[in-house]
Amino acid sequence: RKEVEQDPGPFNVPEGATVAFNCTYSNSASQSFFWYRQDCRKEPKLLMSVYSSGNEDGRFTAQLNRASQYISLLIRDSKLSDSATYLCVVNSNNNDMRFGAGTRLTVKP
Amino acid sequence: GAVVSQHPSWVICKSGTSVKIECRSLDFQATTMFWYRQFPKQSLMLMATSNEGSKATYEQGVEKDKFLINHASLTLSTLTVTSAHPEDSSFYICSARRDSHYEQYFGPGTRLTVT
Repeated sequence: RKEVEQDPGPFNVPEGATVAFNCTYSNSASQSFFWYRQDCRKEPKLLMSVYSSGNEDGRFTAQLNRASQYISLLIRDSKLSDSATYLCVVNSNNNDMRFGAGTRLTVKP
Repeated sequence: GAVVSQHPSWVICKSGTSVKIECRSLDFQATTMFWYRQFPKQSLMLMATSNEGSKATYEQGVEKDKFLINHASLTLSTLTVTSAHPEDSSFYICSARRDSHYEQYFGPGTRLTVT
């Protein structure tokens, strides 16, 4: 079983749609969680950290369920510029950061 | 946000030659840097963790004699791909972590093509 698992997609949605991604992790000792965004042929960039209480940043909402060991990302009112691969990242300790394979999102006009 | 640079951004080399990739943290000191490799349509795979002033820690399956890592200062880590082969062609990305922070800042990546 992979340490971090994501549905690879692709998710093809129209502009304005709401889309949700889930991610599961296997290490119950994991301490911190992130969503990164990666555009084609570019480096990953931090989208948002994920906190136990859930957190929101504009159109993006991230949630963490420690009991079930999953993380989610909700994107509301999708924009064309949201098209990218979204990487779920789990950090077990200071030096153990594991990436999911990523979920591809394409937002169409 | 913090800035991490990589050089070169892309390189083409012949099979059997060695290639050095530099990773620099431009506006902060990084005691720990990470080297990743990403093949097309696949996730980032951690190759090794580079600690300033000590030997790198390699992930299982990564040959330490083939992928030489040097982290000589708090702002610079280098990855040397020795005796490169076509199967080493990939996107190599480094990241750097500030002390006491979990967040990693990524460099723009180096695209290596071995012919």
